[in-house]
Amino acid sequence: SQKIEQNSEALNIQEGKTATLTCNYTNYSPAYLQWYRQDPGRGPVFLLLIRENEKEKRKERLKVTFDTTLKQSLFHITASQPADSATYLCALSDSNYQLIWGAGTKLIIKP
Amino acid sequence: GAVVSQHPSWVICKSGTSVKIECRSLDFQATTMFWYRQFPKQSLMLMATSNEGSKATYEQGVEKDKFLINHASLTLSTLTVTSAHPEDSSFYICSARDRGRSNQPQHFGDGTRLSIL
Repeated sequence: SQKIEQNSEALNIQEGKTATLTCNYTNYSPAYLQWYRQDPGRGPVFLLLIRENEKEKRKERLKVTFDTTLKQSLFHITASQPADSATYLCALSDSNYQLIWGAGTKLIIKP
Repeated sequence: GAVVSQHPSWVICKSGTSVKIECRSLDFQATTMFWYRQFPKQSLMLMATSNEGSKATYEQGVEKDKFLINHASLTLSTLTVTSAHPEDSSFYICSARDRGRSNQPQHFGDGTRLSIL
């Protein structure tokens, strides 16, 4: 079955630097992959969606890449700010378009 | 943007009580709504998929008689935790998907923190 791996350890980044988060999957390449942000005690908020035939997607300071050969997606935040501190979740679609979720990586941006 | 409202945000009640959680899509029609459970520092665990006008589809291991789901309209789904016990304490989150868009993002409510004493 499909498994998703996100770094369970918190990622500490200095303000202004680029934060890069990793999402690896183990089985079939999904039709699309999504990234969400979750703040403590809140529901996830959708950030970006990338399809299997797309290599890269951008939105303001955010960039997502999708490498079906490596079975990996990278999520980048450029010019990071303390307000970017949150847990970032990766989710992949299965054959029924249901989402399979990673456990998330906690990002801490230090001023 | 698409907004999903979930109510209540926090519930504390005694063991044996039944608790109802509402999930509403405020500015779009949601053919499909999802109910998740999340434990601290863990992934979202899908409990059930709720389709308007039909019975919910429950994930393996989720008791349908324990977690009653009703999706009577295109903007409202409810989850009732029946005869709740301390082990049911968790963070419950709903999400909704825009009508006819199976490959589009899910829009989430802000969750319900359920604490059973």
